[in-house]
Amino acid sequence: DAGITQSPRHKVTETGTPVTLRCHQTENHRYMYWYRQDPGHGLRLIHYSYGVKDTDKGEVSDGYSVSRSKTEDFLLTLESATSSQTSVYFCAISQQSSGNQPQHFGDGTRLSIL
Amino acid sequence: AQSVTQPDIHITVSEGASLELRCNYSYGATPYLFWYVQSPGQGLQLLLKYFSGDTLVQGIKGFEAEFKRSQSSFNLRKPSVHWSDAAEYFCAVGAGSPHAGNMLTFGGGTRLMVKP
Repeated sequence: DAGITQSPRHKVTETGTPVTLRCHQTENHRYMYWYRQDPGHGLRLIHYSYGVKDTDKGEVSDGYSVSRSKTEDFLLTLESATSSQTSVYFCAISQQSSGNQPQHFGDGTRLSIL
Repeated sequence: AQSVTQPDIHITVSEGASLELRCNYSYGATPYLFWYVQSPGQGLQLLLKYFSGDTLVQGIKGFEAEFKRSQSSFNLRKPSVHWSDAAEYFCAVGAGSPHAGNMLTFGGGTRLMVKP
């Protein structure tokens, strides 16, 4: 399995609080992604990174920010959490830019916002 | 823009029966197609992928998928289902670029239940 660690694995917090999720990889892959998974929607891309300090928005980026100061770490921040951001969050990595390269996924973070 | 449709949200099959999960895609060029499986509480695991060549591709755990360009489909099959195959299955289409890597678009998923 690809070396991807997400932390925390579970978190419960209150509306309005800031939350940071961490994705750590040991594969030295260039590309990293954050998704959210909600019933009936599959996985939707929040943000991605194509290198250190290089990030861009995905399909559902509103209310989220990211940072990548090192190749191995990709942080997802909810500046002021809302109940609509209750979800399961997955990090993924990919080595190359070609379309035949699969993404490899972490085990997810289950986030509940009360 | 690419899109993926998995028409069946839930499927129930008996153990030992054959299985086919449907996936239809929309993509302008030759697609890169993937099937992933997700067990409860786990991340997504790659089952198989297609990007060129033989239209019937073999994957792990005894799964196979057939690419049919005329039908824009990439259906997943297994001849005999085991109880451990109960999971959620996702089809995805990829579009590579130097900026975004392999950007995947996922279908909504099909949840497979297996009856004893």
